[in-house]
Amino acid sequence: DTGVSQDPRHKITKRGQNVTFRCDPISEHNRLYWYRQTLGQGPEFLTYFQNEAQLEKSRLLSDRFSAERPKGSFSTLEIQRTEQGDSAMYLCASSLAGGVYEQYFGPGTRLTVT
Amino acid sequence: DQQVKQNSPSLSVQEGRISILNCDYTNSMFDYFLWYKKYPAEGPTFLISISSIKDKNEDGRFTVFLNKSAKHLSLHIVPSQPGDSAVYFCAASAGNNNNDMRFGAGTRLTVKP
Repeated sequence: DTGVSQDPRHKITKRGQNVTFRCDPISEHNRLYWYRQTLGQGPEFLTYFQNEAQLEKSRLLSDRFSAERPKGSFSTLEIQRTEQGDSAMYLCASSLAGGVYEQYFGPGTRLTVT
Repeated sequence: DQQVKQNSPSLSVQEGRISILNCDYTNSMFDYFLWYKKYPAEGPTFLISISSIKDKNEDGRFTVFLNKSAKHLSLHIVPSQPGDSAVYFCAASAGNNNNDMRFGAGTRLTVKP
């Protein structure tokens, strides 16, 4: 399977705990994106990387959120001190760079904060 | 700010007939538009796209039409099949780097046998 993979697929945590999600993009894609999707809405852009550089962050990405892509391959998204409002599907996508290319999405990580 | 709007949350169509899904946008800087399909428990899957220099793009049973003056695009599926039943998202981006793609809320299409 050479698609985008995400781990874990589901995460249940208590409010105040930290969580970390991982995304493995398609190997030849140098762009990696994180989105959040809540019920009844489309994906909302959070941040993206080109190789290891984080080039853009949405205002949705509060200080409790941090994303890394240390070697330009996989990426992690960490949420500190989770709140109930963080409950959502977190989607990762990847694409080629240098033009306009479609983004390929992973299956997502569903986070539930109790 | 909802820059991309899909005003129909659901659509039901008979197998073999045409499905028309609509999308409106407000940002005149958008110049690349995409449709994604999403099945339950899966991420969105790219379906078809169109650049603002075109008004139509066709791929098999799927055709996307773009009306820039009306800031409106639509996805036509002909003929519709039960396997097309999914949530369809419209997305748009500005500039030649689609790093900030805006999505609509989605339309759930049900194709009845």
